[in-house]
Amino acid sequence: GENVEQHPSTLSVQEGDSAVIKCTYSDSASNYFPWYKQELGKGPQLIIDIRSNVGEKKDQRIAVTLNKTAKHFSLHITETQPEDSAVYFCAALYSGGGADGLTFGKGTHLIIQP
Amino acid sequence: DAGVIQSPRHEVTEMGQEVTLRCKPISGHDYLFWYRQTMMRGLELLIYFNNNVPIDDSGMPEDRFSAKMPNASFSTLKIQPSEPRDSAVYFCASSRQGRQPQHFGDGTRLSIL
Repeated sequence: GENVEQHPSTLSVQEGDSAVIKCTYSDSASNYFPWYKQELGKGPQLIIDIRSNVGEKKDQRIAVTLNKTAKHFSLHITETQPEDSAVYFCAALYSGGGADGLTFGKGTHLIIQP
Repeated sequence: DAGVIQSPRHEVTEMGQEVTLRCKPISGHDYLFWYRQTMMRGLELLIYFNNNVPIDDSGMPEDRFSAKMPNASFSTLKIQPSEPRDSAVYFCASSRQGRQPQHFGDGTRLSIL
């Protein structure tokens, strides 16, 4: 089955700086890669996703890049703000027309220092 | 639009008791997923349904766990008998046929004493 590794487990950055979280996956058939943000006491909320036919996707201050050859993908957050503090999860799955369960990384606790 | 609704939000019970967690998916979504989140193992898939039919239950840890989806708007995850190691946050998620993303509820925090 799929295995997703996520680094770092904790990331502390100064407000206004950029944050980068990296994930690798094992199954070359995986073709969908979402990123979720989880705040305390809440469920994971999708912030951005990318499919394997795209190398990069951007949504305001958030971007995701995908390197299919190396089987890794990254989340980039620019101009970080206090409300960006949360736990971020990457995930991967093979979506061959249906829908299967996501395989998640272990999460990154992002801390924005004022 | 209403999101995925889970109940109860918190459950504390003693070992050996039966526990039932409930989920209402987003209307129109054909897939429903149950996940479990622990510090040690992170978020892991337990089981998922398509059109109310269980498709993959390979993540269900033991026979003590069972899940049902009697109709398109309701699913249950039952643990009987419960054990302290079942303590975790259980999430339900749903998605449309053949499409991502999965939308998560806010979970049920389960504590087995």
